[in-house]
Amino acid sequence: EDQVTQSPEALRLQEGESSSLNCSYTVSGLRGLFWYRQDPGKGPEFLFTLYSAGEEKEKERLKATLTKKESFLHITAPKPEDSATYLCAVRETSGSRLTFGEGTQLTVNP
Amino acid sequence: SQTIHQWPATLVQPVGSPLSLECTVEGTSNPNLYWYRQAAGRGLQLLFYSVGIGQISSEVPQNLSASRPQDRQFILSSKKLLLSDSGFYLCAWSTRDEQFFGPGTRLTVL
Repeated sequence: EDQVTQSPEALRLQEGESSSLNCSYTVSGLRGLFWYRQDPGKGPEFLFTLYSAGEEKEKERLKATLTKKESFLHITAPKPEDSATYLCAVRETSGSRLTFGEGTQLTVNP
Repeated sequence: SQTIHQWPATLVQPVGSPLSLECTVEGTSNPNLYWYRQAAGRGLQLLFYSVGIGQISSEVPQNLSASRPQDRQFILSSKKLLLSDSGFYLCAWSTRDEQFFGPGTRLTVL
């Protein structure tokens, strides 16, 4: 059974203080790993798809990386508007369903 | 561009009452459609998915059901709501690997 574990559960940063969120996964065969951002009371917003170890994707202050066992979402010089819950999900090669982690709640203080 | 709609946005229903939540997608054809429930604003639980009209797969046994009467319409129903059905219901669509989510419906069962 696919498993996704995100850490930490919650992270509080000062504006400009860079950090990383972790997503560890267990899957029989990885089709893709996905990162989403979710604001309170809204649906998740798609950020990145990573397919193979060594791949990196960037968007503004966010950079996602992938190894064979985990993915990191690096946040460089965050701003208060980056505050949200970040969700990680995996899809195995043999199915269409996504398995989600519980998310990391990020708060960036001004 | 593709757009996904869900309604209603919020719903308060008494225990034992019926439920009907609707999801429609615009700007794409033959999408895979998904219903998720999110409790406590964290991880997402897949409830149903559909790869075509009339084709529904159930992931979790419960008193909910889903139907897909049209290519871009997905409906979540219940004949009698339970207190445990309260939560944030999200519809999503995909045509490739990524899933894109709607704005969600907040359901409170009293």
